[in-house]
Amino acid sequence: GAVVSQHPSWVICKSGTSVKIECRSLDFQATTMFWYRQFPKQSLMLMATSNEGSKATYEQGVEKDKFLINHASLTLSTLTVTSAHPEDSSFYICSPQGGSNYGYTFGSGTRLTVV
Amino acid sequence: TQLLEQSPQFLSIQEGENLTVYCNSSSVFSSLQWYRQEPGEGPVLLVTVVTGGEVKKLKRLTFQFGDARKDSSLHITAAQPGDTGLYLCAGVHHNQGGKLIFGQGTELSVKP
Repeated sequence: GAVVSQHPSWVICKSGTSVKIECRSLDFQATTMFWYRQFPKQSLMLMATSNEGSKATYEQGVEKDKFLINHASLTLSTLTVTSAHPEDSSFYICSPQGGSNYGYTFGSGTRLTVV
Repeated sequence: TQLLEQSPQFLSIQEGENLTVYCNSSSVFSSLQWYRQEPGEGPVLLVTVVTGGEVKKLKRLTFQFGDARKDSSLHITAAQPGDTGLYLCAGVHHNQGGKLIFGQGTELSVKP
């Protein structure tokens, strides 16, 4: 159980464009979704938390208008990086949570490179 | 302010050596988890410790949760090159709404 599908696994985009990352929980319903960002040789930093059907709560220093999170269903959440800049290049990881029975699960990550 | 202080952040050792990674906090955690992450992949759960003083073993890996549930350690015996990777501790803070807070990570390199 607790299978997570995140895609794309990597994407290269031009500066100024937007990129959408999808995260699906395949065999459980994710009532909560955590989105993390990880820079090379660093740990995971929580960006935002969203509950299905509600607006996301962003961590301090994370621009909500730049990182748009949609959690419209219990099996799908998306993170859209708008007007991407080279400094947004990072590894983005989703973590859907479906309650204590499933523990903490993670997607396989998306490597974003903005050129 | 880093809620979970993990050390060392980098460790390079020879095959067969032992090592310990520490994860410390001034706060109490409901539970603490250890993950291993390979480049380009998401973290993979190794163990979850919940009870103060708890010790869990996973082959050559020994995990311990402090009595006060504020700290944890990971000890690897007779490290092998296959143990190379990024090790992360992460805790569920008792008043952070279930958010998983990560330590800085330990980049381990085991040379043959």
